[in-house]
Amino acid sequence: DTEVTQTPKHLVMGMTNKKSLKCEQHMGHRAMYWYKQKAKKPPELMFVYSYEKLSINESVPSRFSPECPNSSLLNLHLHALQPEDSALYLCASSQRAGGVETQYFGPGTRLLVL
Amino acid sequence: AQRVTQPEKLLSVFKGAPVELKCNYSYSGSPELFWYVQYSRQRLQLLLRHISRESIKGFTADLNKGETSFHLKKPFAQEEDSAMYYCALSLRTGNQFYFGTGTSLTVIP
Repeated sequence: DTEVTQTPKHLVMGMTNKKSLKCEQHMGHRAMYWYKQKAKKPPELMFVYSYEKLSINESVPSRFSPECPNSSLLNLHLHALQPEDSALYLCASSQRAGGVETQYFGPGTRLLVL
Repeated sequence: AQRVTQPEKLLSVFKGAPVELKCNYSYSGSPELFWYVQYSRQRLQLLLRHISRESIKGFTADLNKGETSFHLKKPFAQEEDSAMYYCALSLRTGNQFYFGTGTSLTVIP
């Protein structure tokens, strides 16, 4: 398995709902990432997990809560989101190969908050 | 501080013409640089890594430390090259990646 997978592909939720985004990779990568991407904008880093420990939190609001149950899985728990949180949420994993840390991205979950 | 700059938001070229997408970076250490491509409704894909010195889909990119640039080039553009291109920089310490604002390339038939 050489891909990062994400579920669901699409998600519509109300501002009072609780939902979770899931990401999985079986490439043995030890770092995993959540990004938020608005239309025609670059990905914005949200969280980084390295060896299942949260290593970077880019001042993301607490309504986004990451979780790394094991080295292959990464979740993003969502609660009380705002309409402006509507975006494509990308998961990525990385490995160091040839002396360079290289990221590989999942297809994303397109989130709409009503 | 903006670490990666892509000065062109939009770039249009005719099929068969040469194309160059510009990328400049600011980092005092030894950077790790990448080009990622995002075709319409597809995932962000790695196109090139500077360390590999490879040519993928006819694209090449050379790291110029003097000019702090990592421009992406292709001698003859194809229609299927139309996509969003992001230049990215990774710091050797930690797992931080910085993306440029992206250049939307349109190849006109």
